[in-house]
Amino acid sequence: EVQLLESGGGLVQPGGSLRLSCAASGFIFSNYAMTWVRQAPGQGLEWVAAIKGTAGNTYYADSVKGRFTISRDNSKSTLYLQMNSLRAEDTALYFCAKDPISTWAGYFDYWGQGSLVIVSS
Amino acid sequence: EIVLTQSPGTLSLSPGERATLSCRASQSVDTTYFAWYQQTPGQSPRLLIYGTSSRATGIPDRFSGSGSGTDFTLTVSRLEPEDFAVYYCQQYASPVLSFGGGTKVEIK
Repeated sequence: EVQLLESGGGLVQPGGSLRLSCAASGFIFSNYAMTWVRQAPGQGLEWVAAIKGTAGNTYYADSVKGRFTISRDNSKSTLYLQMNSLRAEDTALYFCAKDPISTWAGYFDYWGQGSLVIVSS
Repeated sequence: EIVLTQSPGTLSLSPGERATLSCRASQSVDTTYFAWYQQTPGQSPRLLIYGTSSRATGIPDRFSGSGSGTDFTLTVSRLEPEDFAVYYCQQYASPVLSFGGGTKVEIK
């Protein structure tokens, strides 16, 4: 059974940093592209960043480019999102999601339950 | 960036009725690169449709997708109680992915 478990969220001040983790199990992690999608309270979905399975190519939304870094440790089956220079508008529930293929299809067949990030002073 | 606009914002229907949800793209999207998700309160999104019309694993056949160019549709042929939820469209034609704002299907 595919499982994605996010952690690392919390309350952080504007300008601060946070690192999210997503522990994956139930599939060969290195074989699949992974992504982060966020959802502000009461709002819709916003794609944040993606990383391919083996080549490690990364892609970012303009809203986070230069501030967020997506990475993965295939030996630990874990996805990361390093978030720097956080702003109030980054407040959201952050989901990690699995792509159905390694090279990145761009849609997501499994999702975690999310990790809440609140940026506030 | 391709902007997706979903309509209506809210759809009020009764169980057993047909639901038709629309998603319009700001530019043409290849049918290969279009998906739909369902999200119920407090839950993470669930993939329903990919490639415009292919159902994901385990999705009942009352859900169907269609469309081309800039106009895409999700149809639920007969609403079951568990289908009352928010639905999102998504395009993955460009490296910058985007979602629609969502359509809430509520019980009338």
